[in-house]
Amino acid sequence: GAGVSQSPSNKVTEKGKDVELRCDPISGHTALYWYRQSLGQGLEFLIYFQGNSAPDKSGLPSDRFSAERTGGSVSTLTIQRTQQEDSAVYLCASSSDRGEEKLFFGSGTQLSVL
Amino acid sequence: DQQVKQNSPSLSVQEGRISILNCDYTNSMFDYFLWYKKYPAEGPTFLISISSIKDKNEDGRFTVFLNKSAKHLSLHIVPSQPGDSAVYFCAASVGGGADGLTFGKGTHLIIQP
Repeated sequence: GAGVSQSPSNKVTEKGKDVELRCDPISGHTALYWYRQSLGQGLEFLIYFQGNSAPDKSGLPSDRFSAERTGGSVSTLTIQRTQQEDSAVYLCASSSDRGEEKLFFGSGTQLSVL
Repeated sequence: DQQVKQNSPSLSVQEGRISILNCDYTNSMFDYFLWYKKYPAEGPTFLISISSIKDKNEDGRFTVFLNKSAKHLSLHIVPSQPGDSAVYFCAASVGGGADGLTFGKGTHLIIQP
């Protein structure tokens, strides 16, 4: 596609439920990143993929968070047993290569945990 | 431990005047700095960058200045236009590569007519 696509754009869930957030990066981009922006905060790095592998998972806040990427393209971020503090905008970004700092971001998924 | 700090949550500037957004960092290993711009309900978009070997980079109405000794950078927008109203994020990395990119909390710039 022309840009990074994320779905859903909004997700409201109940505390304790699992959610899956999807990211479709720009075609041909090998690097994919997940960030989170909580209210009043900056962008918090979660995880980075190069191809299908995730060399850097250091930003995942807890073991309730996991992510995978298949076919070097689509990525899914899964949050299990959601908590209210998980409420945030989850942003996906891609770049043509790991060495490229100029990220192309999607519009994000606004997650609200009630 | 906030390594990239944008101490002004918001800034209001009159249309046509200069907007100056500031960013401070604590990690002396940062050697590449970027500014991203974000409109509501959209993802951030890359605006301008500067390497630590330079102290200034200009792109049209946008200029970024880097003061390494003060660990400070600033983004100048002149003249400011209504479409510049957005949240601006400062970001920094070590050795290149977005996996080490650290973002500030952002400054909401409001251009007043």
